[in-house]
Amino acid sequence: DAMVIQNPRYQVTQFGKPVTLSCSQTLNHNVMYWYQQKSSQAPKLLFHYYDKDFNNEADTPDNFQSRRPNTSFCFLDIRSPGLGDAAMYLCATSRTDSKETQYFGPGTRLLVL
Amino acid sequence: GENVEQHPSTLSVQEGDSAVIKCTYSDSASNYFPWYKQELGKGPQLIIDIRSNVGEKKDQRIAVTLNKTAKHFSLHITETQPEDSAVYFCAQFGYRGGSNYKLTFGKGTLLTVNP
Repeated sequence: DAMVIQNPRYQVTQFGKPVTLSCSQTLNHNVMYWYQQKSSQAPKLLFHYYDKDFNNEADTPDNFQSRRPNTSFCFLDIRSPGLGDAAMYLCATSRTDSKETQYFGPGTRLLVL
Repeated sequence: GENVEQHPSTLSVQEGDSAVIKCTYSDSASNYFPWYKQELGKGPQLIIDIRSNVGEKKDQRIAVTLNKTAKHFSLHITETQPEDSAVYFCAQFGYRGGSNYKLTFGKGTLLTVNP
């Protein structure tokens, strides 16, 4: 039944050690998003893929990268995590003809030691 | 601009009472306003939305009202239950042309329903 799946649910990494978070979806939606949500804050859009077209938010640090090998999967790569990158990372999807209606996954909580 | 202000930041009610959360937006071109419920440790779940061509929408115990002139919209929960306890986020959808668009969220309201 799960529609937007994120793995792992919890990830611990060391300062400066690259980490990859994954997202998959069974909705066959063309658009996939990555959000960062820090404690007690609203989700903040990092970037999104419109099919294969990558759209980066202007204030997303270069430390954050993304890959989308196919429609179903999208990855978030953090090249050199800092303590300030500890957060919940949320993946979301939407249809191209209904981009405003976004469906979120359960999130991956990242801890940086 | 794409600012969304949400009030209150915390709200505590007794079971059975009503709860109201209000948001104000700045982008007059926005035409879609969703509300999300986020339980602890989970992702946001869309609970209701409204488009700018209607003033009110209702789904069982929850309703949303929109005043485009005043640029504000509100979430109303009636007959609250303990399982309604969560953080609620309002959002506006802003289209910036081409594939450039985004949902801008309010800062959230922590709703606590006391048994």
